[in-house]
Amino acid sequence: EIVLTQSPGTLSLSPGERATLSCRASQSVSSSYLAWYQQKPGQAPRLLIYGASSRATGIPDRFSGSGSGTDFTLTISRLEPEDFAVYYCQQYGSSPPSHTFGQGTKLEIK
Amino acid sequence: EVQLVESGGGLVQPGGSLRLSCAASGFTVSSNYMSWVRQAPGKGLEWVSVIYSGGSTYYADSVKGRFTISRDNSKNTLYLQMNSLRAEDTAVYYCARLGHYYGSGSYSLAFDYWGQGTLVTVSS
Repeated sequence: EIVLTQSPGTLSLSPGERATLSCRASQSVSSSYLAWYQQKPGQAPRLLIYGASSRATGIPDRFSGSGSGTDFTLTISRLEPEDFAVYYCQQYGSSPPSHTFGQGTKLEIK
Repeated sequence: EVQLVESGGGLVQPGGSLRLSCAASGFTVSSNYMSWVRQAPGKGLEWVSVIYSGGSTYYADSVKGRFTISRDNSKNTLYLQMNSLRAEDTAVYYCARLGHYYGSGSYSLAFDYWGQGTLVTVSS
């Protein structure tokens, strides 16, 4: 079973700053099956990035994803007030089919 | 407009059963991969189950043998039958569509639409 470890657990930044969130897999993951989600309190998660680097529909271009193998990164170039939330990475494994989420990174206002 | 609306959550005693429903609109459930994802209070996301368009079903080890995912094509609705419930099953349960994405010679899967969630509390 693949384990996804996100770091840091909490990231404290100010609006306008750049955020870099990490997701490390316990073994190599197909980039095609690596996604990132944003979740605000009391809301369902929202898809941000699929295929490690493709933005979902309606996602601003300040959000970008990168990485391959075991190391993936979500970058928010300039933080807006509405970006402060919890972010999860997620991967799909095919044998047998299963999905794994990281434990999340909380992005809070400094 | 795509919409997913869950219902059926509530308070149930340990060992009890509950059936969750997820009514979909804006797309056809039977033509898509559909999943249940849960979130315990104050915790992260945990995948629970998936049903493929062809009808194959898969489960997380934590629920295997106790939960059953199904769908009613005539009602365009997804279900999760939960039996032998335990305290650790307490969570908000979300239904989600597993979308397929094609581009630049690659194929991706991701949970692209989510319901608002329904709370299941297992307690005596």
